[in-house]
Amino acid sequence: NAGVTQTPKFRVLKTGQSMTLLCAQDMNHEYMYWYRQDPGMGLRLIHYSVGEGTTAKGEVPDGYNVSRLKKQNFLLGLESAAPSQTSVYFCASSGLAGSSYEQYFGPGTRLTVT
Amino acid sequence: AQSVAQPEDQVNVAEGNPLTVKCTYSVSGNPYLFWYVQYPNRGLQFLLKYITGDNLVKGSYGFEAEFNKSQTSFHLKKPSALVSDSALYFCAVRANTGGFKTIFGAGTRLFVKA
Repeated sequence: NAGVTQTPKFRVLKTGQSMTLLCAQDMNHEYMYWYRQDPGMGLRLIHYSVGEGTTAKGEVPDGYNVSRLKKQNFLLGLESAAPSQTSVYFCASSGLAGSSYEQYFGPGTRLTVT
Repeated sequence: AQSVAQPEDQVNVAEGNPLTVKCTYSVSGNPYLFWYVQYPNRGLQFLLKYITGDNLVKGSYGFEAEFNKSQTSFHLKKPSALVSDSALYFCAVRANTGGFKTIFGAGTRLFVKA
């Protein structure tokens, strides 16, 4: 099993450009998450999904959109990138309620917005 | 509201000595508690969790953590540190009262000196 994969690994955008980050998991997990990691701030939840076709806002959703058209994929979109969105983005997944709840993380996408 | 505090930005320990990385939490109801480790340029990896039962939880790579309800703490410990344990450690908490949201601490960087 590949676990959680993310593409791309690195990306440089200019202010105002758009892009989509792709997350895929092969563990049949219901829950999927997008986080951003900034120095000294831990992980902050951007958006999450509790199942195929559902998404919801997390702690810092502004400037991002998400979609979960298939259970195994969770896409994060930036419609008009800003320098404040320079960060490392992590996708994670976890199992159903009643399971152990630990999250499995992808390797991350390092995004720089100039 | 849920919160997690890791009071030390950095912990330094000599190889072979015991290590402790501190974590305190605040959550309504009984907590689910987690420790994750992040090596450079990698995603977070699950180390161990406390859901219920024995207050001393054993996890991967020889790590353990002690749940203390009265002090609302969940400190990570290892009897004998290795240089390869040097990494960034995150404590996380999730309420068991429904919902999904996991809150991560800001992280503690562990340096183990040979």
